[in-house]
Amino acid sequence: AQSVTQLGSHVSVSEGALVLLRCNYSSSVPPYLFWYVQYPNQGLQLLLKYTSAATLVKGINGFEAEFKKSETSFHLTKPSAHMSDAAEYFCAVSGVDTGKLIFGQGTTLQVKP
Amino acid sequence: NAGVTQTPKFQVLKTGQSMTLQCAQDMNHNSMYWYRQDPGMGLRLIYYSASEGTTDKGEVPNGYNVSRLNKREFSLRLESAAPSQTSVYFCASSQGWGTNEKLFFGSGTQLSVL
Repeated sequence: AQSVTQLGSHVSVSEGALVLLRCNYSSSVPPYLFWYVQYPNQGLQLLLKYTSAATLVKGINGFEAEFKKSETSFHLTKPSAHMSDAAEYFCAVSGVDTGKLIFGQGTTLQVKP
Repeated sequence: NAGVTQTPKFQVLKTGQSMTLQCAQDMNHNSMYWYRQDPGMGLRLIYYSASEGTTDKGEVPNGYNVSRLNKREFSLRLESAAPSQTSVYFCASSQGWGTNEKLFFGSGTQLSVL
């Protein structure tokens, strides 16, 4: 069965610092992986998705994620944090042959001035 | 464009009351979903409709029913609300049903059951 684990429910960085949000997955088949962001009082928006075309995926707002099969990881990074990046981030994996997304527990990113 | 619209945004119920959460999308999407979001648990799928005329249970369907009224609308009903159903509910839609689809989310309904 597919599953996703996000390491760290809360991450705090200073403005301008590197952002690293960790996601590990479990899948019996090559996975489709996603990162979604939820700004306060809003629904989720897609940041980026991995579909096997390239292991390094670039998304919106300067975020990127690298698929590492050997580590079963899909960590999200951004070189320089901005105050507007403060939000909750969710990693997700598609179910086998279905459109059901399985979400991780979420990581809240705090950006300090 | 409105995208995915949910009503109401906030609701307080007493235990045993019923209510229906409404969702409509204007993107001509085929698939629609209802999720609930609880602290530390991420989003969990309640029900989904892969296409107009079909509905199926997700991970946590107990205590809920759904209706895919037409291609645009997908409602979620709580017949007899319980405190365990206090949560934030999100409706979402996607163009198709598949492993690679991008979901578009509404802004959520915050429900409290007392």
